[in-house]
Amino acid sequence: ETGVTQSPTHLIKTRGQQVTLRCSSQSGHNTVSWYQQALGQGPQFIFQYYREEENGRGNFPPRFSGLQFPNYSSELNVNALELDDSALYLCASSATSAGPSGTGELFFGEGSRLTVL
Amino acid sequence: DQQVKQNSPSLSVQEGRISILNCDYTNSMFDYFLWYKKYPAEGPTFLISISSIKDKNEDGRFTVFLNKSAKHLSLHIVPSQPGDSAVYFCAASDFGNEKLTFGTGTRLTIIP
Repeated sequence: ETGVTQSPTHLIKTRGQQVTLRCSSQSGHNTVSWYQQALGQGPQFIFQYYREEENGRGNFPPRFSGLQFPNYSSELNVNALELDDSALYLCASSATSAGPSGTGELFFGEGSRLTVL
Repeated sequence: DQQVKQNSPSLSVQEGRISILNCDYTNSMFDYFLWYKKYPAEGPTFLISISSIKDKNEDGRFTVFLNKSAKHLSLHIVPSQPGDSAVYFCAASDFGNEKLTFGTGTRLTIIP
């Protein structure tokens, strides 16, 4: 069973640039969630994708957008990068969109560490 | 607005003793609570969870206690082992909500 994989693992961008982060979900999982973890903080929910549609969004501006593909892999796109976007971006997959209380336990990837200069 | 709080950034415990990690929450809509463990350069991994209809859940060396009236939960690890050294995140959700709200984490160090 293949786990959640993310790419790239590290990248450096400059302010104003755009970035795309990629995630392959765990085999058999149809739901992908993205979280941002700033230094010294816990992960914060960005959004979730279920069957290629956005299915819930956290308190992030529209320059954070995403896609989910028919094979359930996903992309996170961030436009007009700001210094505060520097963080670890975590992708998590689950077998259902019902949430963890509906046994939609999340399985996380290792993350993509983004540095914005 | 920090809805899930872990007030101890770090904790050191002797190997073999009990580790107790604490977590408080403010949102009374939360009804499902989880603990995740994170090693450096790895993503968080699920450890144990508890529904609000229970006050205790055990899984081997790990036990989670929930006190709904105090909006407090704790994770007990006994006996503590060196491999338990990691950052532990408390997280919460409300039923059917896809979003997890995380605390800021507690770094646990087990001293051999």
